[in-house]
Amino acid sequence: EDQVTQSPEALRLQEGESSSLNCSYTVSGLRGLFWYRQDPGKGPEFLFTLYSAGEEKEKERLKATLTKKESFLHITAPKPEDSATYLCAVQDAGNNRKLIWGLGTSLAVNP
Amino acid sequence: ETGVTQTPRHLVMGMTNKKSLKCEQHLGHNAMYWYKQSAKKPLELMFVYSLEERVENNSVPSRFSPECPNSSHLFLHLHTLQPEDSALYLCASSQTGGGYGYTFGSGTRLTVV
Repeated sequence: EDQVTQSPEALRLQEGESSSLNCSYTVSGLRGLFWYRQDPGKGPEFLFTLYSAGEEKEKERLKATLTKKESFLHITAPKPEDSATYLCAVQDAGNNRKLIWGLGTSLAVNP
Repeated sequence: ETGVTQTPRHLVMGMTNKKSLKCEQHLGHNAMYWYKQSAKKPLELMFVYSLEERVENNSVPSRFSPECPNSSHLFLHLHTLQPEDSALYLCASSQTGGGYGYTFGSGTRLTVV
């Protein structure tokens, strides 16, 4: 069964304290893995798509990496404005539309 | 306006009411989606419209009725809802294939009393 597991469930960091969020997945064939950021009271905001193991993408203080079993979202020197819930979703190669979503990691960055 | 716009932002309705949620996208995308987001649950796909045709209905109760009059507009008609239907309802759009990421609206926070 297709499954996405994110860890930790919640993470509290001090400003400038780098860390990583994990997204483990089980699908028969990976079409794409997506990272989103969601602020309270808003819809998810698209961050990255990763398609194959070894791929990396960066945006400001965020860097996403992908292996055959998991993806990491590395946050370097975070700022309070990086506080949000980070969602991971995978798309099975056998289904062009349906995304399988994780529960998210709630990140709080203290000044 | 740009992006995906949802109205209303908040809605409180009784179990016997009928209401509609509206979604509009200005991105030229050809697929639109309704999602339900509840606490402690992953995002649940409800309906998918591709090129204005409903291509997926994920066993959603008939008290939820979608409508897609054109590629830019999507509605979710609600009637005889239950308290457990209280949630954040999100609209999203994408280009067919979905590999480019979905663009979400800000959602409608629905409370059924």
